[in-house]
Amino acid sequence: QVHLVQSGAEVKKPGASVNVSCKASGYTFTAYYIHWWRQAPGQSLEWMGWIDPNTGGTRYAQNFQGRVTMTRDTSISTVYMELTRLRSDDTAVYYCARGPNSGSFDYWGPGTLVTISS
Amino acid sequence: EIVLTQSPGTLSLSPGERATLSCRASQSVSSRYLAWYQQKRGQAPRLLIYSTSSRATGIPDRFSGSGSGTDFTLTISRLEPEDFAVYYCQQFGNSPPYSFGQGTNLEIK
Repeated sequence: QVHLVQSGAEVKKPGASVNVSCKASGYTFTAYYIHWWRQAPGQSLEWMGWIDPNTGGTRYAQNFQGRVTMTRDTSISTVYMELTRLRSDDTAVYYCARGPNSGSFDYWGPGTLVTISS
Repeated sequence: EIVLTQSPGTLSLSPGERATLSCRASQSVSSRYLAWYQQKRGQAPRLLIYSTSSRATGIPDRFSGSGSGTDFTLTISRLEPEDFAVYYCQQFGNSPPYSFGQGTNLEIK
């Protein structure tokens, strides 16, 4: 059974960094990309980028270039998303999702709430 | 960048009724790469339909998808109480950014 388990909620000050983890189980970790999305309160989902767990290759959305870094540790089937220079409008739930599988994302983590507050 | 526009923003219906949700893309989307999700409050999105019309594992057959090019539709044939939620369409084009629509809130009338 496929599971993506994310790290817990975070509260950060403006200008700080946050690191969210996503641990995969129930499938071959290196067989699927992991994408990161975020959802601000009351809003739709915004794509942040992807990581190929097999190669470590990444691609980031232009909106996050220079602030986001995605990495992986194949020994523990975990990917990480670090976002730096946090601002109040980075307050959101951050999701990891497996895919694409026929262009869609079939398994999602439960989300990690990141709150930016001074 | 492909923008997905969903309509209506809110749809008020009663259990047992038929729901028709629309998703329009700003440019043509391959039918292989158009999906629909359901999201309930406090939960992650749940994949319902992929490749325009294929139901994901465990999704009841009252959910169906159709469309092509720039116009896509999600239909729920007979609404059950658990179907009231927010629904999103999503595209995965040849190049990023990938995108979701702004959502349709399906509420109980």
